[in-house]
Amino acid sequence: EDQVTQSPEALRLQEGESSSLNCSYTVSGLRGLFWYRQDPGKGPEFLFTLYSAGEEKEKERLKATLTKKESFLHITAPKPEDSATYLCAVQASQGGSEKLVFGKGTKLTVNP
Amino acid sequence: EPEVTQTPSHQVTQMGQEVILRCVPISNHLYFYWYRQILGQKVEFLVSFYNNEISEKSEIFDDQFSVERPDGSNFTLKIRSTKLEDSAMYFCASRTGSTYEQYFGPGTRLTVT
Repeated sequence: EDQVTQSPEALRLQEGESSSLNCSYTVSGLRGLFWYRQDPGKGPEFLFTLYSAGEEKEKERLKATLTKKESFLHITAPKPEDSATYLCAVQASQGGSEKLVFGKGTKLTVNP
Repeated sequence: EPEVTQTPSHQVTQMGQEVILRCVPISNHLYFYWYRQILGQKVEFLVSFYNNEISEKSEIFDDQFSVERPDGSNFTLKIRSTKLEDSAMYFCASRTGSTYEQYFGPGTRLTVT
């Protein structure tokens, strides 16, 4: 069974204090690993897709990396507006599966 | 920028009643999905829909659930006889035929009393 585990569950940072979020996964052949941002009461907002080990993607203060077992979301010099829950999801390539399997997320709070 | 839209934003219904949740996917997208998120829990896959038929469904998506694309723009999720445990946020998502990232709508909060 495909599984995604995210850590930590919650993270508090001071503005400007860089850190990383972890996403460990097991999947029957990886089609893609996806990072989303979710604000309270809203839908997941797409951030990145990573397809193969060694791949990296960047967007503003966020950088996502991928290995064969885990992905990291690095946040550099965060601002209060980066406060949100960050979700990791995987899609398996075997069987032509369409579903995304999500982790529980990391709730990030950035204090001014 | 095109977005997935969903209506209503909040629906309150009594146990046993039928509800229809509506979605307008992004216009050039070909694959459509429904997910749900019970408060404090993971986002869970319900069903995927492509070429006017269900392509994959989860164990949650039993005979009480159905999906339809009644016209070229709408995508609906029907729950025939709601249960208390159906209370959740329901998200519609869509994607193009050439990339795998799914774009989510803002959700419908369903409360079953």
